[in-house]
Amino acid sequence: ETGVTQTPRHLVMGMTNKKSLKCEQHLGHNAMYWYKQSAKKPLELMFVYNFKEQTENNSVPSRFSPECPNSSHLFLHLHTLQPEDSALYLCASSRTSNTGELFFGEGSRLTVL
Amino acid sequence: ELKVEQNPLFLSMQEGKNYTIYCNYSTTSDRLYWYRQDPGKSLESLFVLLSNGAVKQEGRLMASLDTKARLSTLHITAAVHDLSATYFCAVAKVGDGGSQGNLIFGKGTKLSVKP
Repeated sequence: ETGVTQTPRHLVMGMTNKKSLKCEQHLGHNAMYWYKQSAKKPLELMFVYNFKEQTENNSVPSRFSPECPNSSHLFLHLHTLQPEDSALYLCASSRTSNTGELFFGEGSRLTVL
Repeated sequence: ELKVEQNPLFLSMQEGKNYTIYCNYSTTSDRLYWYRQDPGKSLESLFVLLSNGAVKQEGRLMASLDTKARLSTLHITAAVHDLSATYFCAVAKVGDGGSQGNLIFGKGTKLSVKP
């Protein structure tokens, strides 16, 4: 079983749809992250959760709504997205947000039509 | 604002040759990471460098850190096809009260090793 599991791996949605990305980690970590990886751009940090509390929102539009019900699960709720939001969304975890070594999931490839 | 620059962004190498990827960052940090990403796959941690002068080696890859120059290098020795991937360096943001786990990534170096 991999340490960080993301579902779905691929998602196609229209601009008016509502969908969610799910991330689960089995490493006993307390910090979880969402990153966005677009073509030709560096990985961009979106959100950080430490012990279920959001500690960073990197100026992410409100059409992305994260949820962290416990230290093992992280969701990214998607609503009214734009085509430019198409990207690979990577979840990661670390022991705490001060530990820094991130373990990544395999990502959810999102296409917005 | 912390910025991380890698070069080159694309690197085509012949098998058996040596080469170096460079990672410069703009403000003080106390840790630097190198990751590898294969197409369609996740990021795999390669090295964590925590102090000035740190050098770590794994197989044909060797990473070093010069915190005074704000420079890390990833040296590839006698490249083989299996090393073809995209390599990212990432630098930890240092906030008030100490290090933060949030990383700023470079754009990545896409390495292609040809026979």
